[in-house]
Amino acid sequence: KAGVTQTPRYLIKTRGQQVTLSCSPISGHRSVSWYQQTPGQGLQFLFEYFSETQRNKGNFPGRFSGRQFSNSRSEMNVSTLELGDSALYLCASSDRGPLTGELFFGEGSRLTVL
Amino acid sequence: DQQVKQNSPSLSVQEGRISILNCDYTNSMFDYFLWYKKYPAEGPTFLISISSIKDKNEDGRFTVFLNKSAKHLSLHIVPSQPGDSAVYFCAGTQGGSEKLVFGKGTKLTVNP
Repeated sequence: KAGVTQTPRYLIKTRGQQVTLSCSPISGHRSVSWYQQTPGQGLQFLFEYFSETQRNKGNFPGRFSGRQFSNSRSEMNVSTLELGDSALYLCASSDRGPLTGELFFGEGSRLTVL
Repeated sequence: DQQVKQNSPSLSVQEGRISILNCDYTNSMFDYFLWYKKYPAEGPTFLISISSIKDKNEDGRFTVFLNKSAKHLSLHIVPSQPGDSAVYFCAGTQGGSEKLVFGKGTKLTVNP
């Protein structure tokens, strides 16, 4: 079974631009979550989608948004980029089996904002 | 407000010895705790978990202990191997949610 696939793996943007990151979950997984990892804040929850609906949202400004498609693939978008948005963005999927909270993470998209 | 704290940024142990990684939490609503391991340039991978109704869970060389009264959990790795060298994250969640609250991680180095 293929794992969680994130694209692009690396990207560089400048302040004020916007970026879209893509995530393909493990086949059969219907829940997709997004996390931001920075050296100072660690791993922080952005949002979670299930069956195209956002079910949970973290404490991030409205510049961070996401969506999920009918095939469970998900995208997240960050508008009006700031230097502090430089981070590793991780996507995770789960099959919503037993309520264990176990997530399967992709390798991440590393965003650098100049 | 940091709900999950890993107070040791790094830990170094000798191969074959025990590694003990600690984690404290403040949110008493957490009912499930997980440990993830992360190698450089890879996403975190699930290691072991424990429900708040238990005080111990074991999987091979890995054991997680939960002390609810102290709001403390620990991960024991016995025996430690060089391949265990990675960053270990502790996380808590509530109601089986995919919203995990992570600690900032502890970098474990196992020396041959």
